[in-house]
Amino acid sequence: RKEVEQDPGPFNVPEGATVAFNCTYSNSASQSFFWYRQDCRKEPKLLMSVYSSGNEDGRFTAQLNRASQYISLLIRDSKLSDSATYLCVVKGGGSQGNLIFGKGTKLSVKP
Amino acid sequence: AAGVIQSPRHLIKEKRETATLKCYPIPRHDTVYWYQQGPGQDPQFLISFYEKMQSDKGSIPDRFSAQQFSDYHSELNMSSLELGDSALYFCASRSRGDTGELFFGEGSRLTVL
Repeated sequence: RKEVEQDPGPFNVPEGATVAFNCTYSNSASQSFFWYRQDCRKEPKLLMSVYSSGNEDGRFTAQLNRASQYISLLIRDSKLSDSATYLCVVKGGGSQGNLIFGKGTKLSVKP
Repeated sequence: AAGVIQSPRHLIKEKRETATLKCYPIPRHDTVYWYQQGPGQDPQFLISFYEKMQSDKGSIPDRFSAQQFSDYHSELNMSSLELGDSALYFCASRSRGDTGELFFGEGSRLTVL
């Protein structure tokens, strides 16, 4: 079983739609969680960290359920510019814990 | 602000040749990571360095080696190249004790013919 698993996608949604991505991780010792965004043929960039209490950044809301080892990302009022691949990323234990990436979910927002 | 610099951006090699990729981390970042991303794949962790010492090893083939130098730049050396080595190679850096955000370079695209 892969350490980080995501919805396979792709998600094709109209502008203005609300879309949710899910992610599960297998290592219960994982300490930090992130959503990265990757545009085609570009480097991944941090979208937002995911905190235990849940957190929101504008149209984006991230949630973490440690008991179920589950992370989610909700995007409201989708924009064309949100089209990208969204990578669920988990950091292992220890200060040098490496980031483990999910396979990513591709989002395509259409006019 | 300075970002992670990778070179070369594009590289074409023949099978069985060698290649070297370079990475210059953000100033004052002491940790460097190398990731390999094949077509349509997620980034796969290869190896990392902290303070010029190897700190962790992932799915790096034995044909590959890497090191971090005194100026904190890192080099990924790849020998006996195979067609399957064609990929985008990302270098990322961060500062120890940071929350965990990695800053990625734009990547080096290696094509093996």
